[in-house]
Amino acid sequence: GAVVSQHPSWVICKSGTSVKIECRSLDFQATTMFWYRQFPKQSLMLMATSNEGSKATYEQGVEKDKFLINHASLTLSTLTVTSAHPEDSSFYICSARDLASSSTQYFGPGTRLTVL
Amino acid sequence: GQNIDQPTEMTATEGAIVQINCTYQTSGFNGLFWYQQHAGEAPTFLSYNVLDGLEEKGRFSSFLSRSKGYSYLLLKELQMKDSASYLCAVRTGTASKLTFGTGTRLQVTL
Repeated sequence: GAVVSQHPSWVICKSGTSVKIECRSLDFQATTMFWYRQFPKQSLMLMATSNEGSKATYEQGVEKDKFLINHASLTLSTLTVTSAHPEDSSFYICSARDLASSSTQYFGPGTRLTVL
Repeated sequence: GQNIDQPTEMTATEGAIVQINCTYQTSGFNGLFWYQQHAGEAPTFLSYNVLDGLEEKGRFSSFLSRSKGYSYLLLKELQMKDSASYLCAVRTGTASKLTFGTGTRLQVTL
């Protein structure tokens, strides 16, 4: 089945630093990947759609200069949280769309970010 | 905008059958997904419906009525490991964006 990996699985950083999260589709090519954020006991909220070779599309209310997305290849997208603050602490999850499987989105294991 | 409603919590007994409902109001409907999410983990894909009717996959079945904006996930022969959150997600448009409901936390008891 389709497998998506994320790295790191968890990260703790100081306020003001930047954190990069990688999302990889391991056994399929993904022209489109999605980045979500999930706060405790809440559902997933889409942050942005990452398209290979072009600029990401951000959802309303998501700062594109704070959450930098790069989708440099068909199997890798990265999310960089710049100048992180404690309110950015959350569970960040990526997904990749598998065109061969009715465009089903398969999710990575998530990255838990804690900003001190 | 999109509006997706699910019950917040449900409790059922091991071995029983439980039905989790999802109603939605959306434009550009292009499929409905059900995901299972255990605490602290990412969602795992359960089922996909784009046409009306029932899709069965082992102990899990999902039903869709597009005219009513309604879906349900049916879990049979409940096991303790089925205790998790179940997320209903609607896909819209050609960009395949998913909008998630708030999720239903299912607790399976002895």
